[in-house]
Amino acid sequence: GAVVSQHPSRVICKSGTSVKIECRSLDFQATTMFWYRQFPKQSLMLMATSNEGSKATYEQGVEKDKFLINHASLTLSTLTVTSAHPEDSSFYICSAMTSGGGGGQFFGPGTRLTVL
Amino acid sequence: EDKVVQSPLSLVVHEGDTVTLNCSYEVTNFRSLLWYKQEKKAPTFLFMLTSSGIEKKSGRLSSILDKKELFSILNITATQTGDSAIYLCAVDPWGGAQKLVFGQGTRLTINP
Repeated sequence: GAVVSQHPSRVICKSGTSVKIECRSLDFQATTMFWYRQFPKQSLMLMATSNEGSKATYEQGVEKDKFLINHASLTLSTLTVTSAHPEDSSFYICSAMTSGGGGGQFFGPGTRLTVL
Repeated sequence: EDKVVQSPLSLVVHEGDTVTLNCSYEVTNFRSLLWYKQEKKAPTFLFMLTSSGIEKKSGRLSSILDKKELFSILNITATQTGDSAIYLCAVDPWGGAQKLVFGQGTRLTINP
């Protein structure tokens, strides 16, 4: 099946620093990638939809200047949490759709961000 | 606002028991409902349901959708410790799994 990787799997940073998370589709091309965050004991919340070569579409309440998304190629999307604060600590999961779209979403393993 | 609600939020049973997980939804548009199993990391796909009354089965897991009553159930029979996970239900309102609306999940713990 389609494989999606994320890097890093875990990151701990100081408040005020920026953190970049990469999401890669390893064996397929993904025109669309999604970024979710998940707080403990809560569901996945969609943050933004990332389309290759165009600006990401952010969900209501998600600050686009804080969560910068770049979908530079058909296999890579990055999420940069700028000036991270402790309340940004969360589990961030990306997913990718195949170019045809009919295959559904394939999820990455997630990145646990802890901001001290 | 689209909403997906799962119950119970948490369930602890003994190995060998049968469990039923519930998912109800209120959405402006509906194309399909999906079930995922989330262990330590990313969710893995279990089922996609689009039609009412047609049971989907995979081994000890089965699921069915009722579009009239707006809910779905996920059954697991003869549970094993490896079934311990969070089970997520999601609705795909527009098709193509583009914007999924997730429930809060049911944390299932199977004790030996």
